[in-house]
Amino acid sequence: SQQGEEDPQALSIQEGENATMNCSYKTSINNLQWYRQNSGRGLVHLILIRSNEREKHSGRLRVTLDTSKKSSSLLITASRAADTASYFCATSRRNALNFGKGTSLLVTP
Amino acid sequence: KAGVTQTPRYLIKTRGQQVTLSCSPISGHRSVSWYQQTPGQGLQFLFEYFSETQRNKGNFPGRFSGRQFSNSRSEMNVSTLELGDSALYLCASSVGTADNQPQHFGDGTRLSIL
Repeated sequence: SQQGEEDPQALSIQEGENATMNCSYKTSINNLQWYRQNSGRGLVHLILIRSNEREKHSGRLRVTLDTSKKSSSLLITASRAADTASYFCATSRRNALNFGKGTSLLVTP
Repeated sequence: KAGVTQTPRYLIKTRGQQVTLSCSPISGHRSVSWYQQTPGQGLQFLFEYFSETQRNKGNFPGRFSGRQFSNSRSEMNVSTLELGDSALYLCASSVGTADNQPQHFGDGTRLSIL
């Protein structure tokens, strides 16, 4: 079953703009992770945010977590064409990741 | 450090056949997980192994099985293939548990069933 659900399903922006993706989940979590997948490739880990953290940064990425609303957001600032990919949030339980359906991001030059 | 390696990258089989996929984790990683990715169902957890023991199994029929060797390399097997088994099969490794560690994914094996 899908634990995380991303919103929007698809997002199209121009280079230099910011992209925001949201994720909602259903049960309590220890942490939430964000992954990126380029077409035809495996997933690449972006950020892991723990349940006692509210915000985390990594380069141009900013992730927030609101456990009271069971939601997280991923912000990519100053996007580049190379950021074009699918982005997934994932929660974990008993050594298994539960992924949402993902947000497909298209960044045009 | 070499990443997670999956072989083969592409595979074409017919219904009723069986298939074995291989995964070599990052050196030092003892946890190996397998996921199935399809357009309809998305990413679904198959199973996770740690030090040769299966610790968790997803909601898949018994036709899907796996194992892990003493060197942490893992294989998954699908018997009596069905058209619906066409998917990208991804392997991921980590030092410990997915509950608190980032997972490192291979590029997957694309399985097509004719």
